This record gives sequence, structure tokens and C-alpha cells, in this order.
Amino acid sequence: GAVVSQHPSRVICKSGTSVKIECRSLDFQATTMFWYRQFPKQSLMLMATSNEGSKATYEQGVEKDKFLINHASLTLSTLTVTSAHPEDSSFYICSAGRGNDGYTFGSGTRLTVV
Amino acid sequence: GNSVTQMEGPVTLSEEAFLTINCTYTATGYPSLFWYVQYPGEGLQLLLKATKADDKGSNKGFEATYRKETTSFHLEKGSVQVSDSAVYFCALRVNQAGTALIFGKGTTLSVSS
Repeated sequence: GAVVSQHPSRVICKSGTSVKIECRSLDFQATTMFWYRQFPKQSLMLMATSNEGSKATYEQGVEKDKFLINHASLTLSTLTVTSAHPEDSSFYICSAGRGNDGYTFGSGTRLTVV
Repeated sequence: GNSVTQMEGPVTLSEEAFLTINCTYTATGYPSLFWYVQYPGEGLQLLLKATKADDKGSNKGFEATYRKETTSFHLEKGSVQVSDSAVYFCALRVNQAGTALIFGKGTTLSVSS
């Protein structure tokens, strides 16, 4: 079946540094990738939608200069958290949209900024 | 706006007990409805879905019926197993296939033997 590999699964970084999270579709082409953020005991909040080869569309309230999304190929999308601060600590999940075939989710990345 | 409301967890049951996880939604138009399951350390997996009113989605003994009149999509299973322990998310999609899902907060289910 369709698999999305998300790395790293956990990362701890110092405040002020940048962190890159990768999502790779292993056996299909992901033309659309969704990036979500999940706070403890909260729902998955959509951050942005990216289509291969074009700029990401960010949800209201999400800082595009802080959360850089790149979707340069049909099998790889990245989220870079720039100048991370403790309030950026969260669980980040990617999801590849496959049209009528539904969605495939990565296993998530636990980011802790210290 | 569009939103999904799930019952608060955690839900703790004994093996073979009956399970209900309530889900209601607010949406414009006629959304498609989904239940996803997340096992520890894994990504979300589609459990079942329904795309129009009165449709019943079912999978692995789980069922949910799309009730337009009550804007609900409650998840049920007649006899839970320890292996069903996971987090369950109700979600909706209001536009065409390929647009983003809107999720509820998730409900943690813990089944003991």
C-alpha cells in the first residue's frame, strides 16, 4: 500500500536554530501534501497545503516565513521550522493527498525546542 | 465554519465490551466523513468513511452511519479487543477529493484483558 515516510520521528533543538522535517512518498507520487500540527489533547490543525512545483498555501495565522515548506518533487516535501522557539514545540504530521484514493499520513515528528 | 466535535477521552473498556465514540460535525454543503485510527508510534490510518447521508462505513468490526439529520457519525464496535487500543479521529472533507481533512481532537481508547 501507499506509504509516507516521515523523518525524524523525534528531534530536540536549541532555541534559535532551524529544523527540517522530511516526508517522502515511497511508492506513489504525492502531488499534494498537507502539513498539520497537533497540540496535546487537541485536534490536528492544518498548517499549509503544498502542490508539487508551486508555493504552499498557508492557513490563516500560520507564519509562512517561520514554517518554510518545499515540495520540489513528487516524492518529497519538507517543512523547515526556522529560528525555532519553545512555543514551536509540537507534533507535526504530513499527509499526502491521493485524489480519490484518499490520504496517506506520515508517522509524525515530535519537535522539542529547548 | 467547518468543525468536528468528538467525545472526550480516554475511554477505558474491558475486552469484548461495546464501544461507542460520538462524533458530530458542522459543515457547509454535504461533507464526506471519515474515521482514522492511530496506533502508538504510527501514522493515521483510514478506518472507514461515508460520502453521503445514510451511508454506513464499516471495517474490522467497526461501523459508523452518516446521519445528516443529527449531523453525526458515531463510531461503534460490538466487541472490542486489546489490539483496538489506539487514538481515534473523526474527520470531514467539505470539498472535492484531494482537499484537506478537518479533524476532531481524537479519542484515546484503552482496552484491557
